[in-house]
Amino acid sequence: QKEVEQDPGPLSVPEGAIVSLNCTYSNSAFQYFMWYRQYSRKGPELLMYTYSSGNKEDGRFTAQVDKSSKYISLFIRDSQPSDSATYLCAMSSFYNNNDMRFGAGTRLTVKP
Amino acid sequence: DSGVTQTPKHLITATGQRVTLRCSPRSGDLSVYWYQQSLDQGLQFLIQYYNGEERAKGNILERFSAQQFPDLHSELNLSSLELGDSALYFCASSGGDSVMGANVLTFGAGSRLTVL
Repeated sequence: QKEVEQDPGPLSVPEGAIVSLNCTYSNSAFQYFMWYRQYSRKGPELLMYTYSSGNKEDGRFTAQVDKSSKYISLFIRDSQPSDSATYLCAMSSFYNNNDMRFGAGTRLTVKP
Repeated sequence: DSGVTQTPKHLITATGQRVTLRCSPRSGDLSVYWYQQSLDQGLQFLIQYYNGEERAKGNILERFSAQQFPDLHSELNLSSLELGDSALYFCASSGGDSVMGANVLTFGAGSRLTVL
């Protein structure tokens, strides 16, 4: 079993839809949870950063962390074609980031 | 532009050869990370350097080595290349004294290696 599991998709939705992306993990020591967005032929870029459990909202994006279930989610409201990308979850336990683990990434396409 | 510079962008070489990938971190960042991304394996952590010293090792093959120089740029050396080494190689940097600064990675655009 991988430490971080993420459905690779692909996921295709119509413009304006609400998108839900999810990751599960097995290491209960993880405390820092990130979502990165990667456009084709580009490097990943940080989208959301959360610490421990709870919700964090930034514009159309909401990140949720449920540590009791070892489950994190990213919601995209009013999805746009420009949101079409691969979304990677990432998580780590320590300050110095030695143990950061990435999910495999979910490829999302938002159709106009 | 993320501030992390990687060269070359593309590289095509033959099996058995050796290549060097170069990375300049974002200004002020002391940590450099190397990742390998392939279609079937996702983003795999290879190695981390902090201010010139090796900090952590991931799934890095013995045929691969890296170093970080006094000016903080880093090089990843891949030798005795095999077909399976074809992948995107990303460099990332992080910095700052805050926990978020240490955890947030800024990635370069990657070096695409094709081994024929």
